[in-house]
Amino acid sequence: RKEVEQDPGPFNVPEGATVAFNCTYSNSASQSFFWYRQDCRKEPKLLMSVYSSGNEDGRFTAQLNRASQYISLLIRDSKLSDSATYLCVVNPRTNDYKLSFGAGTTVTVRA
Amino acid sequence: NAGVTQTPKFQVLKTGQSMTLQCAQDMNHNSMYWYRQDPGMGLRLIYYSASEGTTDKGEVPNGYNVSRLNKREFSLRLESAAPSQTSVYFCASSEGGRGNQPQHFGDGTRLSIL
Repeated sequence: RKEVEQDPGPFNVPEGATVAFNCTYSNSASQSFFWYRQDCRKEPKLLMSVYSSGNEDGRFTAQLNRASQYISLLIRDSKLSDSATYLCVVNPRTNDYKLSFGAGTTVTVRA
Repeated sequence: NAGVTQTPKFQVLKTGQSMTLQCAQDMNHNSMYWYRQDPGMGLRLIYYSASEGTTDKGEVPNGYNVSRLNKREFSLRLESAAPSQTSVYFCASSEGGRGNQPQHFGDGTRLSIL
């Protein structure tokens, strides 16, 4: 089983819509969770860290569900510029220096 | 603010050739990483350096070597390139330790092996 699994999508949504997707992780001891954004053929960029109590950054909301071992990302009022691949990243605690990356969920926002 | 700088941006090699990918960071980070990314797959860790003077294998180290030249620089060497090493290579750095620090990426090296 992969350490981090994501629905690859694509999620095609109109501008202004809300889109949400999850990521599951296999190691219950995992600590530290992040969402990264990757544009086509570009480097991954940190979108936000995910905290135990959930957190918001503008139109983006991240949640952590430890019981079911998943994290989620919700994007409100989608913009064309939100079109990207969103990478779920987890520290599985097998090694404090390593992070495990999901293969990504692709979101396309259409006008 | 340069952040993480990788050179070259693009490279085409013939099978059996060698080359070194360079990476430098100016954020005074302790830890540095090399990943490869192939279509439809997540980033896979090749090697990492938890701190200056140390290097360790990641998930896919075969065919690669690394050198942590100093705190700023971490290079990746392909001794005898193979077509299976055609990929996009990303270098990253983090403050290091405890895995609770996010990693910051360079803009990648696109490598083709013919």
